[in-house]
Order: sequence, then C-alpha cells, then structure tokens
Amino acid sequence: GGIITQTPKFLIGQEGQKLTLKCQQNFNHDTMYWYRQDSGKGLRLIYYSITENDLQKGDLSEGYDASREKKSSFSLTVTSAQKNEMAVFLCASSLDRNTEVFFGKGTRLTVV
Amino acid sequence: QQQVRQSPQSLTVWEGETAILNCSYENSAFDYFPWYQQFPGEGPALLISILSVSDKKEDGRFTIFFNKREKKLSLHIADSQPGDSATYFCAASGASGSWQLIFGSGTQLTVMP
Repeated sequence: GGIITQTPKFLIGQEGQKLTLKCQQNFNHDTMYWYRQDSGKGLRLIYYSITENDLQKGDLSEGYDASREKKSSFSLTVTSAQKNEMAVFLCASSLDRNTEVFFGKGTRLTVV
Repeated sequence: QQQVRQSPQSLTVWEGETAILNCSYENSAFDYFPWYQQFPGEGPALLISILSVSDKKEDGRFTIFFNKREKKLSLHIADSQPGDSATYFCAASGASGSWQLIFGSGTQLTVMP
C-alpha cells in the first residue's frame, strides 16, 4: 500500500498572506488532486494534475496556484489568505480516471 | 449549481437497523459513482462504487442501488454498527471525459448502540 503525506497538518495564517501547502504520495500514481472541504459543503476541486508538469483548473481555482514539481509531489499556494477563512485542504491521488482516489488526512487552515 | 445532491444531511439509526443514504445527480453523462466514508480527522476513503451499466452493487453489508432513468442512487448499510458512524459522500464522474470527481455535501450517519 501507499500513503499520502500532507504538510503542515495545521496552518495559521494572516490576512493577505501567501501560504503554501505540500503533498507527497508514494503510490506512484500519475494523477494528483487538491480539494477544499468546508463544513457542510462536501469537497470541491481546486486543481488537479494528470502527469508531472501538468496542471488543470478545477471549479474552485480562483485565489490558488498549484505546482506539480515531480510525479510524487503536488503543492498548493493560497495566493492571498482571506480573513476568517477556515477550511480543510485535502490532497489526493489516483492511478487513472474512474479509479479509486486516495486521500491524505488534510491540512487545516485558519486565517486570523 | 449543485450537480450531486445528498439527503438526508444527517441520519441516526439504531444498531442492527438498515441505514439508507440517498444521492441524486443532474448530468446524465456521469458514469462512475463512488461512495466515500470519512471519519473525523481523516481523509475520505473509498467504500464502494458502481458504474452506470449496473443497477446494483453489493460488498458485504454495503449495497448501492442505482436508477439511471431517475438519476438516483442510494447506499444501504445493513445491520448498522456504531463503528459505521461517519460522514458518507456520494460522488460522480465521467462527464465528457472530464477528470473531475464531483462530490455531494455528505450525510452524517450516527449509529446508536
């Protein structure tokens, strides 16, 4: 089996700050994803990448940048943190379309 | 526009009962429907999935019933256990070759002992 490691687990930022979240997977999966989870709203796709150096926007990409530096890592940048923003950011990976998506445990963001 | 809807938002059942979680979708091009289970502090994990060519999928105590004509599906958890208490997400993908997995807002299930 494999694992998805997200760092940091908790992130407290200030309004307007640029914040970077990191994700590593050892499944050797081609596709990686970043989702945002808000309480009561399910998961919404921010960015995904189907191969190294590829980047595709999801429905929630505004206000975020992403980078797929190598096959095993995918980072997400909040370009300007919004005050009182609280959400969990989930990184995930899968072998292909319509196959099991494996999730990390998330980074919990709080903006003060 | 919410493409995948779930109901109820929360559900409480007694141990041993069958819990029924509902899901509906709008895009008739969706062809893959996984259900994910999430415990507090954890990421979601795949529980069971179905393709649109099937109308039923069973895995132990978990069964998906799928109605393509009505664009509805349901997850039945038989003989519910307190350890099944979690949030369950219905998801859908496959529209026009899209890679996006669209999630519903989830059903929080509590199984009382």
